[in-house]
Amino acid sequence: GQNIDQPTEMTATEGAIVQINCTYQTSGFNGLFWYQQHAGEAPTFLSYNVLDGLEEKGRFSSFLSRSKGYSYLLLKELQMKDSASYLCAVLDSNYQLIWGAGTKLIIKP
Amino acid sequence: NAGVTQTPKFQVLKTGQSMTLQCAQDMNHNSMYWYRQDPGMGLRLIYYSASEGTTDKGEVPDGYNVSRLKKQNFLLGLESAAPSQTSVYFCASNMGENTEAFFGQGTRLTVV
Repeated sequence: GQNIDQPTEMTATEGAIVQINCTYQTSGFNGLFWYQQHAGEAPTFLSYNVLDGLEEKGRFSSFLSRSKGYSYLLLKELQMKDSASYLCAVLDSNYQLIWGAGTKLIIKP
Repeated sequence: NAGVTQTPKFQVLKTGQSMTLQCAQDMNHNSMYWYRQDPGMGLRLIYYSASEGTTDKGEVPDGYNVSRLKKQNFLLGLESAAPSQTSVYFCASNMGENTEAFFGQGTRLTVV
């Protein structure tokens, strides 16, 4: 079966750094997405990784290791508005997106 | 820019009733998708359409039907609503599978 694992919930402090991990077991791999979803709202795109390594985009960075079936999303200089769920999704060999259940990130002052 | 627009935003149905969820995108995207999102679970694909006039089943198609008669519209029908279909439904679109998907604001459906 296909499986995406993420922690259910994480807590961090405003101004700090947090790393949200995602491990996957899928039939093939054609890229990995991270989306942000605020409560009651639609998911919005954060990043796409298809090659190994780190992609940096402002305060957010995403890392991929295909050999380990592993990715993480790194959020720096946390702000209260970063409180949201973070969804990891993998594009499998049939180009179908397999979604993780999401990690709810709580930011405390 | 409207992006992806879903209607209605909220709906309550009685068991056995039917309804159609509407989705429209103004980005000239080829692909469109219908997902459902339930607590503690990832987004699950109901149906998708890779181009106008074509549709394919996703992971959880039972009890639903779709139509894509125009490139900008993707309709999701519930033939005979059941309480198990209580969920938040999202429509999304993109140019292709490995590109950013844009989501509508969701339809919160309750079947009683």
